[in-house]
Amino acid sequence: QSALTQPASVSGSPGQSITISCTGTSSDVGGYSYVSWYQQHPNKAPKLMIYDVSKRPSGVSNRFSGSKSGNTASLTISGLQAEDEADYYCCSYAGSSTSVFGTGTKVTVL
Amino acid sequence: QVQLVESGGGVVQPGGSLRLSCAASGFTFSSYGIHWVRQVSGKGLEWVAFIRYDGSDKSYADSVKGRFTISRDNSRNTLYLQMNSLRAEDTAVYYCAKDRGWGSFYFDYWGQGTLVTVSS
Repeated sequence: QSALTQPASVSGSPGQSITISCTGTSSDVGGYSYVSWYQQHPNKAPKLMIYDVSKRPSGVSNRFSGSKSGNTASLTISGLQAEDEADYYCCSYAGSSTSVFGTGTKVTVL
Repeated sequence: QVQLVESGGGVVQPGGSLRLSCAASGFTFSSYGIHWVRQVSGKGLEWVAFIRYDGSDKSYADSVKGRFTISRDNSRNTLYLQMNSLRAEDTAVYYCAKDRGWGSFYFDYWGQGTLVTVSS
C-alpha cells in the first residue's frame, strides 16, 4: 500500500490549462478503473471532483477532466481560476477492499 | 442534506486507546459503506478503514491492521473507530467519509474531522 506518486506542485496563470499526474502500479491505478480525484482547500475537508477515472459528480465544473493510461492517471484543469488554488489528491482502488491515495499536489494560480 | 460529524478525538499517551464516533444524517445510513481517512497536519491523505453498509465486510490499511477496529450501529446512524496500541505516527485528523455506493471506494461526503494526538 505505497502512496501513488504525484508532483509536489503545479502552477499556471489564470485561463491556462494544467495537468496533474498520478502514477501507481498494476496493482492499483493500472489494474482498476476506480480512480478518483479530490480537491482540498486549506483547513477544509476534501471534495470529490472526479470518479471512475473521468466522470464528474453533479455540481463539479466541466473545467475538470480526468483520464488514465496504463499505470498513470491524470487530472486536467482547463481555464484555470483563482478558486482552483488548492491541494489535489488522486485515489485508486487497490484490491481486497483497500484504497490508496496519492502524495498530493499543490496547485498555485499565478 | 448529508452530514457527517466526527467526535472522540483528543490527546492520548503512546500505547493508549481511543474510540472515535461519526454521527450521520441526511441519507439512509444503513445503505452505504463508510470509510475512515486520516491526514497528518500539513501532509497527505491516508485511507484507514472501510465497513460495508451492513457491517459484513471490513478492511484496513496495513499501517493500522490489528490495532484499529471499525464498526457501525445502523440503529443509531453511527460509525465507530476503536484505536488501540496507539503510536505517535497515528497523530492526525481523522475524517469519516461516505462511500458513493456499492463499495465504490469513492468518498462523496466528508465530515469536518477530529484531531487525535498521541503524545506523552
